[in-house]
Amino acid sequence: DSGVTQTPKHLITATGQRVTLRCSPRSGDLSVYWYQQSLDQGLQFLIQYYNGEERAKGNILERFSAQQFPDLHSELNLSSLELGDSALYFCASSVLGLAEETQYFGPGTRLLVL
Amino acid sequence: EDQVTQSPEALRLQEGESSSLNCSYTVSGLRGLFWYRQDPGKGPEFLFTLYSAGEEKEKERLKATLTKKESFLHITAPKPEDSATYLCAVQAAQGGSEKLVFGKGTKLTVNP
Repeated sequence: DSGVTQTPKHLITATGQRVTLRCSPRSGDLSVYWYQQSLDQGLQFLIQYYNGEERAKGNILERFSAQQFPDLHSELNLSSLELGDSALYFCASSVLGLAEETQYFGPGTRLLVL
Repeated sequence: EDQVTQSPEALRLQEGESSSLNCSYTVSGLRGLFWYRQDPGKGPEFLFTLYSAGEEKEKERLKATLTKKESFLHITAPKPEDSATYLCAVQAAQGGSEKLVFGKGTKLTVNP
């Protein structure tokens, strides 16, 4: 158990809908990262937050957005969902969000768009 | 562009048959190379971090090494419970943007 929690574990929705994924980092960690893992693409970095502020952006679509709240939990919002958005979404956290730090991953949310 | 290539894509071993997994990378400003283990449907589980060429780290049957262009994950006398996908990732700093770039993984199966 990494100490990172994610809810829900599974999510089934329809195309065009909007969903919110939630992540709570390990106790003491200030930085949160979001990743998408699909069968053909592997793990892709989406976005990083540090202490409530966006720090780095990866291959995140404009339909996707995220935020980190004062209690340090984070939410990833996915809108206008398409079939291709079906994937595992992982959250990770680290203490200060520095490049040398280990990122600890949560158990993931499996999203299925029908 | 930062790239991480893992080989082989899949590896089948008999219990006790030692082998190595390869991770080659192309990145400027390497800040760290990370190995993770991932079981089906689960999140990646951290194994090792390597920072500089020549560095080695060990944990039980696993040993990770790093050169300037690649890293190896050596598995000595593997057991069936070592079956998993092993992911390699590099952290680089480019133009103020830092991100973890993952390889596609090596799926290891250890048969009893």
